[in-house]
Amino acid sequence: GNSVTQMEGPVTLSEEAFLTINCTYTATGYPSLFWYVQYPGEGLQLLLKATKADDKGSNKGFEATYRKETTSFHLEKGSVQVSDSAVYFCALSDPGGSSNTGKLIFGQGTTLQVKP
Amino acid sequence: KAGVTQTPRYLIKTRGQQVTLSCSPISGHRSVSWYQQTPGQGLQFLFEYFSETQRNKGNFPGRFSGRQFSNSRSEMNVSTLELGDSALYLCASSYDRGILSYEQYFGPGTRLTVT
Repeated sequence: GNSVTQMEGPVTLSEEAFLTINCTYTATGYPSLFWYVQYPGEGLQLLLKATKADDKGSNKGFEATYRKETTSFHLEKGSVQVSDSAVYFCALSDPGGSSNTGKLIFGQGTTLQVKP
Repeated sequence: KAGVTQTPRYLIKTRGQQVTLSCSPISGHRSVSWYQQTPGQGLQFLFEYFSETQRNKGNFPGRFSGRQFSNSRSEMNVSTLELGDSALYLCASSYDRGILSYEQYFGPGTRLTVT
């Protein structure tokens, strides 16, 4: 079945360090890919998305490229801040039998802690 | 535009009781999905409603049910609560524009504790 695998955390970085969180997926069809972020005590916020191969999603200095050949969607940021400390989830839209199933499949989440 | 709202934010129930959670989607969004988040299992899909019909369902027992009203608001119900039902229940809404880009916008969640 369709699945998402993320690198295990926690990831601890110093402020202004470079961030990479790895995400690989298994899917039939052509899913859309997403990164969501969850701050303590809150729901999930959509961070960025990509809908087809070679698309690059970007937002707030974060970016990720949809790589179909490696089935990956790694999240990167050039210079992290303390305020980026959160849990990051990689997800794919489950094509299922229809393109509109309303179901996201999530990775297990990666906790990022940025120290001043 | 107001975001997805969920009520209540926190609930404490006893084993065997039932509970109803409510979700109001973003105005204009017609699809509502529900997820359960636990430390052990992560984020798991419960079900999705579109135009008052359940369109997709995850692998949860029949104790978990939901419905959607004509104004797209949705409720989920859990009957005969078990300790393992303690979780953060997240609702997400989407416009469902018929394309592959299926953006879902999440509410803050309802934290359910079963004692």
